[in-house]
Amino acid sequence: EIVLTQSPGTLSLSPGERATLSCRASQNVASYLAWYQQKPGQVPRLLIYDASNRATGVPARFSGSGSGTDFTLTISSLEPEDFAVYYCQQRSNWPPGVTFGQGTKLEIK
Amino acid sequence: QVHLVQSGAEVKKPGASVKVSCKASGYTFTGYYIHWVRQAPGQGLEWMGWINPDSGTANYAQKFQGRVTITRDTSISTAYMDLSRLTSGDTAVYYCTRAKGGYYDTSGDYYDYFFGYWGQGTLVTVSS
Repeated sequence: EIVLTQSPGTLSLSPGERATLSCRASQNVASYLAWYQQKPGQVPRLLIYDASNRATGVPARFSGSGSGTDFTLTISSLEPEDFAVYYCQQRSNWPPGVTFGQGTKLEIK
Repeated sequence: QVHLVQSGAEVKKPGASVKVSCKASGYTFTGYYIHWVRQAPGQGLEWMGWINPDSGTANYAQKFQGRVTITRDTSISTAYMDLSRLTSGDTAVYYCTRAKGGYYDTSGDYYDYFFGYWGQGTLVTVSS
């Protein structure tokens, strides 16, 4: 299976700062990568798909970039509600399957 | 609008099986795959498998092969995830989810992948 490795595991920042989260794939996934946000007790929320497209209703401070094996989720200026866990995810045709990264916890400094 | 409503929490003993349901509404059930994802307490998201509600074909993550069965009943727009031989390691919240879109590979086959719709989750607790 394709392994997605996220870094850092935990990111401590203050509101207003810029957050940069990384996701590295063990094989080329082209641009078929999504990002999710999950807050405690809530279901995951789709943020970004196809590496750089914002899902409906996602604020413009969230942006995604990358292709192939290296991807980045950037939050330009953190709001209090952005502190959560973020996951990247892909689905490959070969080897077949869906995988998630292990998550990056974005916490208030 | 799309809704996925799952069955309620379950408590099971080790070695038992559990069956979680996911009732879909707001769209044509047979038009979109249903995937199952689980999340152990304090852990990340883990994909278990999918079902094509139109054909009934299912595909499972290698980790769960032989223990998981995903089925559907098109007459009531409901998908099911059955997990057998439960251990304490299977204690988790189980989600059904449906993609909002996907991509075509070079062979023209479609792969849905970004999950825009989620059920509310079903907590399965395995304890003796």
